[in-house]
Parts: sequence; C-alpha cells; structure tokens
Amino acid sequence: DSGVTQTPKHLITATGQRVTLRCSPRSGDLSVYWYQQSLDQGLQFLIQYYNGEERAKGNILERFSAQQFPDLHSELNLSSLELGDSALYFCASSVWVGQYTFGSGTRLTVV
Amino acid sequence: AQTVTQSQPEMSVQEAETVTLSCTYDTSENNYYLFWYKQPPSRQMILVIRQEAYKQQNATENRFSVNFQKAAKSFSLKISDSQLGDTAMYFCAFMKPIPNYGQNFVFGPGTRLSVLP
Repeated sequence: DSGVTQTPKHLITATGQRVTLRCSPRSGDLSVYWYQQSLDQGLQFLIQYYNGEERAKGNILERFSAQQFPDLHSELNLSSLELGDSALYFCASSVWVGQYTFGSGTRLTVV
Repeated sequence: AQTVTQSQPEMSVQEAETVTLSCTYDTSENNYYLFWYKQPPSRQMILVIRQEAYKQQNATENRFSVNFQKAAKSFSLKISDSQLGDTAMYFCAFMKPIPNYGQNFVFGPGTRLSVLP
C-alpha cells in the first residue's frame, strides 16, 4: 500500500456519461497530481492541486475538471465521455519536490 | 513547450548486465527537474531517480544512476547488475516548477525494458 488511495479501481461507463474519480493523498501530503495513461497518448499530466488550490495545468480537456477539498482528498470529474477517454487515471501526492507517491490507478473503460 | 524523447521503444538485457536507457528533452528553461519512473507489469508507478538541473553531480540510487548532460539536454539512466525485477516500462519525465508550489510535468513515450534470465 503506497498510502495514496484511488477509488474506484475499475469503472465501465457509456459514452456521453459523467464519472468522478477519487483520490486520497498520503497523510501529510499537500499536493495532488492527476495523470492520464492511454495506449495512444502515453502518460500525460493533467492537473495539480496544492492545499486546495489549482497550481498547474497540463493537457486537461475542458470536459474534465478537478478539485481538492479541505481534507485534501481530490476528485477528477470527467464528463461527456468519449471512447478515447478510456485510460488508466493515476493520482499522486507529494509533500516535497521529487517525493511523489502514486496510487494504483483507476481504469476507466468507455463503451 | 517542453518535449521529452525516448528513442528506444524496447530494450533487453541479460540478468546481471548493465543497460543504459536514453532520454533527451527540449526546453528553454534553466530551472527544472528530471525524473525516471518505473512501471512494472502491475502498472504501479514508482519513482526511480531524480535530478535537479542546477546540480552538476549526477544522481545515484543504489544500482541506478544517471548521466545528466545539461548542455546536450540529455538524461540517460544506467541500471547496473540488472535484476529480473527491473523488467518494466521506464518513463523519463521533465518537471518545470511554477510559482506558488506549482509543478508542470511532461513525460516521454517510455522504454520497455526486459531483463532476461
């Protein structure tokens, strides 16, 4: 157990639907990062939150949004889902640069 | 925009041998970090090693070391005494710090390493 918890582990949904992925960071970590790993796009950084506020944005689609709550857990919301959104979504947390701990990921399948 | 290139999609090495994975990047930034991540078949992402661009000394973590050539924008990973457990996908990553604790990442496409018995 890495200390970063992602739920659910697997998710199957239909095109056009909306889903929410959840991440609980390691205790004491203030930063949460979201990544998407798909077969054709590789690993992409989506967004980072630090202590409840957005701090960095990568290749995140407008259909996607995220937030970090006062208890530091984070949620990634994916809407108007398309087949191409099928991927493994990782969350990571850190308290310092370079000390990143990843969760085991949520595998999203859009059918 | 930053880009990261890993020119070796797949590599193999005999157990106990040494292998070097290459990574080049393109940036106009002077302050940045470079990382190697390992993703074994379990799909768990594991940080292998980190290099700060302002440090001239190459980072080392046990059997893993890097050759950081800042002028050439090259960041290769050397794995010594390869073990079967090193079989994994290896990603090179570039991180640019931005104000107020922000960190923006770019990943390379990965190199699939197989350690052969």
